[in-house]
Amino acid sequence: EAQVTQNPRYLITVTGKKLTVTCSQNMNHEYMSWYRQDPGLGLRQIYYSMNVEVTDKGDVPEGYKVSRKEKRNFPLILESPSPNQTSLYFCASSRAYGQGASQPQHFGDGTRLSIL
Amino acid sequence: AQKITQTQPGMFVQEKEAVTLDCTYDTSDPSYGLFWYKQPSSGEMIFLIYQGSYDQQNATEGRYSLNFQKARKSANLVISASQLGDSAMYFCAMRETPDSNYQLIWGAGTKLIIKP
Repeated sequence: EAQVTQNPRYLITVTGKKLTVTCSQNMNHEYMSWYRQDPGLGLRQIYYSMNVEVTDKGDVPEGYKVSRKEKRNFPLILESPSPNQTSLYFCASSRAYGQGASQPQHFGDGTRLSIL
Repeated sequence: AQKITQTQPGMFVQEKEAVTLDCTYDTSDPSYGLFWYKQPSSGEMIFLIYQGSYDQQNATEGRYSLNFQKARKSANLVISASQLGDSAMYFCAMRETPDSNYQLIWGAGTKLIIKP
């Protein structure tokens, strides 16, 4: 089954304790992206990756890191989480080239992070 | 300026009635795509329908259709014969040229509640 898998689904942690949210897709998609969703703000892009070893900042990258060492995986790293990073996070993937512009992004089920 | 505007924060609709969810967009790029996603209370993001700027016909997917009025820059989602399971948040999103970072630009969403 084609899917994007995020882990964990829920996490409550404390300020300053490094955490990683994993994201894996099995559709051989070039493009992967991280979003955060906050009430009234829609989804905002944190980082994206056009392919292996190619990553770039989105609209709200401060406080986050990513890596893309393999095509299927795109982890989101919070080196020193703070309460303003409490949010619902989504990983998404899609094709990037050729027909990529018309392809929908496939989303993981989301990760609810609470930073105390 | 907002690139995607969804003017209806919330809507109540009687079951079996048709629903129109509004979306207007702002772009100067001739090549773009418009997407609608559904987010149930469980949180996952589900792709519904896509419309390309050069598509001659309005997109349809089952009970979903997109009323695309290019000159007015509107891309309203129409749900025919609404069902209780249609209760969810609905997001309109736009992707500009294929040469962009494939970022989706999101509206703030419309919360749809279907009444029995």
